[in-house]
Amino acid sequence: DGGITQSPKYLFRKEGQNVTLSCEQNLNHDAMYWYRQDPGQGLRLIYYSQIVNDFQKGDIAEGYSVSREKKESFPLTVTSAQKNPTAFYLCASCASGRNTGELFFGEGSRLTVL
Amino acid sequence: GQNIDQPTEMTATEGAIVQINCTYQTSGFNGLFWYQQHAGEAPTFLSYNVLDGLEEKGRFSSFLSRSKGYSYLLLKELQMKDSASYLCAVRPPWGQNFVFGPGTRLSVLP
Repeated sequence: DGGITQSPKYLFRKEGQNVTLSCEQNLNHDAMYWYRQDPGQGLRLIYYSQIVNDFQKGDIAEGYSVSREKKESFPLTVTSAQKNPTAFYLCASCASGRNTGELFFGEGSRLTVL
Repeated sequence: GQNIDQPTEMTATEGAIVQINCTYQTSGFNGLFWYQQHAGEAPTFLSYNVLDGLEEKGRFSSFLSRSKGYSYLLLKELQMKDSASYLCAVRPPWGQNFVFGPGTRLSVLP
């Protein structure tokens, strides 16, 4: 079955530690995204990538880093520079050029800083 | 920039009809999307409008007026499982970055 897989689903981190969230898709989509969602709020864009080996900052990129070495993979690292990292993180993808541009989401990763 | 507004919360009764409004202010437009998100889960795609008018999909319909920067999602024959957040999102024409509204949390009561 095609889809997007995020891992881990739950993650706990101590202050000062970097953590990496995995996102893998087998939909053959060119574009991939990372969003952050805080309780009761909408989605905010962290980083996005429209093609392999290229990515752009979103609205709240500070304290985060990404890579896009393969079409299928778009991992997100939450660094110790991110002051308030506790949140629900969503990875998404869509096919470039499609009229509908429907976003497909992974199941999300919930990060808690202890 | 982009600005999208939705009501924060709504309550409706099982079997009723509810309309969730979304207004947007953008310098460009390339489609409006509605997503459903149950608590703790990922959003799922509901509908897409790029031209003015009504799109119907079973119990769900979505309407768009580009001149007014306005859309609504209409849910008919409400069921308890429709209790969720409903996200309105706009895609600008110059790229593929979706901009999401704050979401409307709908509670369906028996």
